[in-house]
Formats: sequence, structure tokens, C-alpha cells
Amino acid sequence: EIVLTQSPGTLSLSPGEGATLSCRASQSVSNSYLAWYQQKPGQAPRLLIYGASSRATGIPDRFSGSGSGTDFTLTVSRLEPEDSAVYYCQQYGDSALTFGGGTKVEIK
Amino acid sequence: EVQLVESGGGLVQPGRSLRLSCAASGFTFDDFGMHWVRQAPGKGLQWVAGISWNSGSIGYADSVKGRFTISRDNAKNSLYLQMNSLRPEDTALYYCTKGSGGSYYDPFDIWGQGTMVTVSS
Repeated sequence: EIVLTQSPGTLSLSPGEGATLSCRASQSVSNSYLAWYQQKPGQAPRLLIYGASSRATGIPDRFSGSGSGTDFTLTVSRLEPEDSAVYYCQQYGDSALTFGGGTKVEIK
Repeated sequence: EVQLVESGGGLVQPGRSLRLSCAASGFTFDDFGMHWVRQAPGKGLQWVAGISWNSGSIGYADSVKGRFTISRDNAKNSLYLQMNSLRPEDTALYYCTKGSGGSYYDPFDIWGQGTMVTVSS
């Protein structure tokens, strides 16, 4: 099973600032099959990024993904109050799909 | 409108069984892989099980292997999760999710609102 470790655990930033979230895999993720999801309180998760760097339908270009192998990054530029959420990475290249533990982004 | 609606959750004693259902609408169900993901109260997401469009590929998390069975009925646009030998640690909100493609190896682009399962005596 591929273990995904996300850091930091919590980010506290002001509107307009940028956020950089990290996801590190215990072994290489096949074909960069790495996705990012956003989950707000009381809501189901929403797909943001797939294939490490492709934005899902309707996702603003403030959200971008990068990385390959074992190191992946989600960057959120120009933070807005509605970006306050928990962000999860997920690998879907192994038969046992796994999620990271999540990074909570707080907007001051 | 694309929609996934879960049902079948509830309070169950340890060791008992429960069957979750997910009704899909607004898309061609038998074109896509489907999965179950759970979230314990206040915790993160955990993938539980997945199934490809034609049930040819099926997989489970180690924590549920041998106890849970995922299945689908494409004629009824429905996904199921049969949960046996339930444990308190299975207590969670269970989400039905749609893969973005037909295989097992696709990201999840649509999520239901979840059904709560509580395992307690």
C-alpha cells in the first residue's frame, strides 16, 4: 500500500496570499495518478486536480498541481475566504487506492 | 443532473451485517467505475472498495478485505456494499463516488452526500 504524507497539517494565511501544500508518497505513483480534493465542513469532497496537474471541470486557475514520482504539490494562489477547507491528496495508480491525511487551510 | 444517493446506513451491533446502496442518475452508469469511501467522525478520507464498469476489476482496503463485498447492478443503475462482521472502527460516513472513467484507476469526480454507519452495542 502506498502511504501518502501531507504537510503541513494546518496552514493559516490571509486573503490574497498563496498556499503551497505538499504530498509525499512512500513509493512512486504510477503514471502520476495523483489527485487533489477539497472538502469544506459538512460537505462531500470535490475533485480539484487529477493526473497531478490537470484541473477538473469548473476549477479556477488559481488552483494548480505539480510533481511526479513521490513528490507532489498543490498551489493555491490569491487565496479567497471560500478556500478555507481541508485538502486531500489521493493516489489511484495502485490497486489499493489511498488518501493522504489532509491539510487544513484556514483563512485569517 | 448527475446524482448519487446513498441509503442503508444506521445503528448496528458489532458482528452484525448491513447493506449500503447507491442510486445513480444523470449519467450512463455502466460506463464508469464506482467506489466507496468512508470518513470516521472528525477524521480523514479512507478508500474502502472499488469496482470497474463491468465488475471485471474489484479491490478492497486491507481493513475490510474478507468482510465487505462491493457489487453493482448496471440494469438498476445501482452500487452496493455488503458489510459483514462489523466492528466499532467501521463507524463512519460512507460516500458513494463515481470514477471519471470506466476503469478502476480513475479519480473520483462525483460524490454522494453519504450515509452514516454506526457500529455500537
